[in-house]
Amino acid sequence: EVQLVESGGGLVQSGGSLRLSCAASGFTFSSYWMTWVRQAPGKGLEWVATIKQDGSEKYYLDSVKGRFTISRDNAKNSLYLQMNSLRAEDTALYYCARDGQRLGISDYWGQGTLVTVSS
Amino acid sequence: DIVMTQSPDSLAVSLGERATINCKSSQSVLYSSNNKNYLTWYQQKPGQPPKLLIYWASTRESGVPDRFSGSGSGTNFTLTIDSLQAEDVAVYYCQQYYTTPPYTFGQGTKLEIK
Repeated sequence: EVQLVESGGGLVQSGGSLRLSCAASGFTFSSYWMTWVRQAPGKGLEWVATIKQDGSEKYYLDSVKGRFTISRDNAKNSLYLQMNSLRAEDTALYYCARDGQRLGISDYWGQGTLVTVSS
Repeated sequence: DIVMTQSPDSLAVSLGERATINCKSSQSVLYSSNNKNYLTWYQQKPGQPPKLLIYWASTRESGVPDRFSGSGSGTNFTLTIDSLQAEDVAVYYCQQYYTTPPYTFGQGTKLEIK
């Protein structure tokens, strides 16, 4: 059974940092693109970042470029999102997702981890 | 970036009736070399993560009931739910995955029972 479990969220002050993790199981992690999507409280979905199977390609939402870094450790079946210089507008539930059929088709999602940035 | 616009923002439909949600992209998401539309539909129920329903604009994900169908091409797409069930109450999102990211979502359509 495919499972994605996010962790690392919490309350942080504006300008602070957090590192989100996503533990994957039930599939060959190294074979899939992986994605972070966020959802601000009561709002819609927003794609944040995506990383290729071997980490050689990474894509970011413009508003997080230079502040967030997506990475992965295939030996540990884990996906990460290093978030620096956090802003109030980064407050959201952050989901980890597997891109299945191809890049952009997110077929499995975790339950999310909540990041709250206080100003 | 491609902008995705859904309509309506909310919708109330009677049980057993048809629900129709529209999604328009600011530029075509049809890739001419393979004639595929790079568009997905997701369902999100309260307190749950999104669930993939449809990809390539009209291919139903495994396990998704056949009352859900996707149609359209180019810039205009539709998600149709036939014979609405109580468990279909959710917010529905379209997303484009044309070429490379960013892969933008529509703003969502909230579906309720009338």
